[in-house]
Amino acid sequence: EVQLVESGGGLVQPGGSLRLSCAASGFTFSDYWMHWVRQVPGKGLVWVSRISSDGRFTGYADSVEGRFTISRDNAKNTLYLQMNNLRADDTALYYCANTYGDPAGCGHWGQGTLVTVSS
Amino acid sequence: QSALTQPPSASGSPGQSVTISCTGSGSDVGAYNYVSWFQQHPGKAPNLLIYEVSQRPSGVPDRFSGSKSGNTASLTVSGLRAEDEADYYCSAYAGSNRVIFGGGTTLTVL
Repeated sequence: EVQLVESGGGLVQPGGSLRLSCAASGFTFSDYWMHWVRQVPGKGLVWVSRISSDGRFTGYADSVEGRFTISRDNAKNTLYLQMNNLRADDTALYYCANTYGDPAGCGHWGQGTLVTVSS
Repeated sequence: QSALTQPPSASGSPGQSVTISCTGSGSDVGAYNYVSWFQQHPGKAPNLLIYEVSQRPSGVPDRFSGSKSGNTASLTVSGLRAEDEADYYCSAYAGSNRVIFGGGTTLTVL
């Protein structure tokens, strides 16, 4: 059974940093591109970032480029999102997901980890 | 990167069909056959319904179908059931390793 378990969320002050993790199991992690997607509770899904299966290629939404860094450790079956210079509008539930079928297809999702940016 | 445009709401009676549109541009929806659709029930993670415009993952009922014309993709839900009441999102590949989501559509089964 595919499992994606996010962790690392919490309350942080504006300008602060957090590192999210996503532990993967039940599939060959190193074969899959991975995504981070966020959602403000009660609002829509917003794509954040994706990374190639080998970690060489990445992409970011304009709103996070230069502040967030996606990475992975295939030996540990873990995906990361380093978030720096956090802003109030980064407050959201952050999901990780694996790619299914096409670059925009997120096949399996975790349950998310909540990031709150507030003073 | 503006979100893809979806109608905020849609509705239909049980047994009817409803179509939800997703409008982008020639740089995303119109540029690639990489459009996906997701269903999200309240408090749950999204679930993939359609990928590559019209392909269904195993386990997704054939009541869900996808299509695309130009810069607009569509999701059709046929034979509406009460459990189809949920939020629906489209996503598209926008090139350069970027993805964009639609704003979401709330489907109500009357």
